[in-house]
Amino acid sequence: DARVTQTPRHKVTEMGQEVTMRCQPILGHNTVFWYRQTMMQGLELLAYFRNRAPLDDSGMPKDRFSAEMPDATLATLKIQPSEPRDSAVYFCASGTPQGEQYFGPGTRLTVT
Amino acid sequence: AQSVTQLDSQVPVFEEAPVELRCNYSSSVSVYLFWYVQYPNQGLQLLLKYLSGSTLVKGINGFEAEFNKSQTSFHLRKPSVHISDTAEYFCAVTASSGNTPLVFGKGTRLSVIA
Repeated sequence: DARVTQTPRHKVTEMGQEVTMRCQPILGHNTVFWYRQTMMQGLELLAYFRNRAPLDDSGMPKDRFSAEMPDATLATLKIQPSEPRDSAVYFCASGTPQGEQYFGPGTRLTVT
Repeated sequence: AQSVTQLDSQVPVFEEAPVELRCNYSSSVSVYLFWYVQYPNQGLQLLLKYLSGSTLVKGINGFEAEFNKSQTSFHLRKPSVHISDTAEYFCAVTASSGNTPLVFGKGTRLSVIA
């Protein structure tokens, strides 16, 4: 049963620290999405890749967020420096050409 | 661009009663439509999808949805709910031109009462 994995599941850090979140998409899926979920804003797209190429990162604060896909089995989302307003659940989703997206369990980030 | 409106933020319903969660979308192009469920402290799980063909689609856990193009709706239904259906439900849309990002509604919190 193929699934998307994300690490870490929980992260508590202090303001100003670097945070790295990792995602392993489902083998054979060609698209990877990063979403953020908060109570106030709901689910928001941060960035996505197709065939490892970045297509859109307009949802990310460029000065502090970066997303990469160094190989087909790993996508990363980094925040440097982190701020309390970055506290949220970050989801990675792996997508098929038919539009289905399969979500990982999320990384719950708390920045104090 | 697409947008999704989930008309009810919370829906309480008694166990074994039927339920309908409403979703309307807006798009200038053809779309794919999805319903996802999120249980507490978990990721989103795909319930069902409409890509093409029959407008009535069946999903997991006894849920079904009907695509109505003229009314731009994709309402989710279940004839008899269980306590275990208590969760947040999200309607989502994406352009059918390719695997582009999903646009989500704000979610509907379904609470099943014993």
